[in-house]
Amino acid sequence: NAGVTQTPKFQVLKTGQSMTLQCAQDMNHNSMYWYRQDPGMGLRLIYYSASEGTTDKGEVPNGYNVSRLNKREFSLRLESAAPSQTSVYFCASRDDTPYEQYFGPGTRLTVT
Amino acid sequence: KNEVEQSPQNLTAQEGEFITINCSYSVGISALHWLQQHPGGGIVSLFMLSSGKKKHGRLIATINIQEKHSSLHITASHPRDSAVYICAVLNSGGYQKVTFGTGTKLQVIP
Repeated sequence: NAGVTQTPKFQVLKTGQSMTLQCAQDMNHNSMYWYRQDPGMGLRLIYYSASEGTTDKGEVPNGYNVSRLNKREFSLRLESAAPSQTSVYFCASRDDTPYEQYFGPGTRLTVT
Repeated sequence: KNEVEQSPQNLTAQEGEFITINCSYSVGISALHWLQQHPGGGIVSLFMLSSGKKKHGRLIATINIQEKHSSLHITASHPRDSAVYICAVLNSGGYQKVTFGTGTKLQVIP
């Protein structure tokens, strides 16, 4: 089992460019999440998907869109990148019980 | 005030010392999660608990629901334990809401 995989690991964008972060899990989990991690702050939820075909906004959704392509894959899109979106992005999936989350390796994104 | 507070924020210990990291929360929870983030950035689950105590190797996690407090203990600490330890709570009011602490950075010196 690969667990949760993310691509790319690193990315540098110019302001205004777009990109999609890919995430896949092979644990048959219903729930998947996108978080961002900034220095001095806890992980913050951008979007989540409780099941295939559903997505909902988290704490900091502005500037992002998501797609739950199927049960395995959950992508995060930046339509017009801004320097404030410089961060480390983590994808996670979760058991239905006991709600344990499993994290991908992260994507370090820099927007100049 | 953050819903999840960790202390200390930074901790330096000598190899072999007993270490305690604390987590206090102010919301109703259904479970609490201890995570470890290594310098390379990857996040690994250590414990998920909703009551009592769990032990895995040199790591012990406890939770007191009435006091809204959890502790993570590391016995006989080792330099490979150097990492950021993150407490996260699964809020009882919302199925998907998880609130994370800002982490405790631990450095264990040989």
